[in-house]
Amino acid sequence: QSALTQPPSASGSPGQSVAISCTGTSSDVGGYNFVSWYQQHPGKAPKLMIYEVTKRPSGVPDRFSGSKSGNTASLTVSGLQAEDEADYYCSSYAGSKWIFGGGTKLTVL
Amino acid sequence: VRLAVSGGGVVQPGRSLRLSCAASGFTFRGSAMHWVRQAPGKGLEWLAFISYDAQTKYYAGSLKGRVTISRDNSENQVYLQINSLTTEDTALYYCAKDFDTHYSCDHWGQGTLVTVSS
Repeated sequence: QSALTQPPSASGSPGQSVAISCTGTSSDVGGYNFVSWYQQHPGKAPKLMIYEVTKRPSGVPDRFSGSKSGNTASLTVSGLQAEDEADYYCSSYAGSKWIFGGGTKLTVL
Repeated sequence: VRLAVSGGGVVQPGRSLRLSCAASGFTFRGSAMHWVRQAPGKGLEWLAFISYDAQTKYYAGSLKGRVTISRDNSENQVYLQINSLTTEDTALYYCAKDFDTHYSCDHWGQGTLVTVSS
């Protein structure tokens, strides 16, 4: 199964908001409310930022939010901070398997 | 929570490799586990899932039956056996703890690098 589609890059200035999209199909993103988002800084392991489309694990700032419409999920980072600069990956459960997006490099200008 | 992955290194094409992930800091026998890999400069690729009791195992179709996930709850370890290695298997291999009932991974190990080269 193909990877979920994410834009390769996104950017914003400190304090601004930026949204990253994640497009799949009715067999993954559109078929389940099990979309997750992970943040990965260079040389580090991924970190769970959003699960079940909209939920934040304990300790994740509320500047991070998730949503979904149809086959496309989105991660929005509000009030951008320098430490938000990282790669972001979406993931969806797809019935007996998980699929990741190709990743989006978020640059804080 | 700590997940220590080991077993990586340089391996010749066609050979097999078994990766280990030693878990601590949580109730391992009650947690499902995943393996995920990341080729150099590339994105994340989910590989395999094993339920807390090893009764349920899922694999990525791209692995074409070359991979086996297993666990030993008495040793707090999860394993990934990869057969018939090719250069395309060169990657950093992570184990991750399943976020129970939430279909995501809430803790990740630091990974072990596997380089397939002659």
